[in-house]
Amino acid sequence: AQSVSQHNHHVILSEAASLELGCNYSYGGTVNLFWYVQYPGQHLQLLLKYFSGDPLVKGIKGFEAEFIKSKFSFNLRKPSVQWSDTAEYFCAVGGSNYKLTFGKGTLLTVNP
Amino acid sequence: DAGVIQSPRHEVTEMGQEVTLRCKPISGHDYLFWYRQTMMRGLELLIYFNNNVPIDDSGMPEDRFSAKMPNASFSTLKIQPSEPRDSAVYFCASSTGTPQGEKLFFGSGTQLSVL
Repeated sequence: AQSVSQHNHHVILSEAASLELGCNYSYGGTVNLFWYVQYPGQHLQLLLKYFSGDPLVKGIKGFEAEFIKSKFSFNLRKPSVQWSDTAEYFCAVGGSNYKLTFGKGTLLTVNP
Repeated sequence: DAGVIQSPRHEVTEMGQEVTLRCKPISGHDYLFWYRQTMMRGLELLIYFNNNVPIDDSGMPEDRFSAKMPNASFSTLKIQPSEPRDSAVYFCASSTGTPQGEKLFFGSGTQLSVL
């Protein structure tokens, strides 16, 4: 069975600080990895995804994530956060069964 | 396209009542998913359909939960009877029937409160 673990429940940063949100997964086969974001009052949106190829994936709004197979990790990063990045971030893993399994989410609060 | 449309946005009901959540996927998407979001468990997949046929309902918590997709443009998730522990945000999502894990488009969710 596939599972996802997000280490931080709530992260609080000041504007311009660097961000790294941890995500570890377990799955026995080839995985597809995703980060979704949910801004306050909005629906979930895809931030970035990894299927194959370059393990460093760039997404929207300056976010990137690195797939490290040996560590079963897919951490999300952004060099300098903005107040508008305040949201909840979900890591997800998809396998051959088409089922996406999500982590519990990390709430990011960016103080101006 | 208006995106995935869910109704109602908010539902407050009393324990024991029947609750029906509705979803209209994006036109042309042949996969539809129902998720439940709670603080304790995060986002959980309840069931998904392909071409209106339920493929995997192993996430449906109990027999009180049922889901249907009578046609390509409509799906329902029903809880009967509802219980306070069913309180959560229920999301519907749809996608095209291509590689596994293709981009999901989510609706805005239904906030369910069972008193």
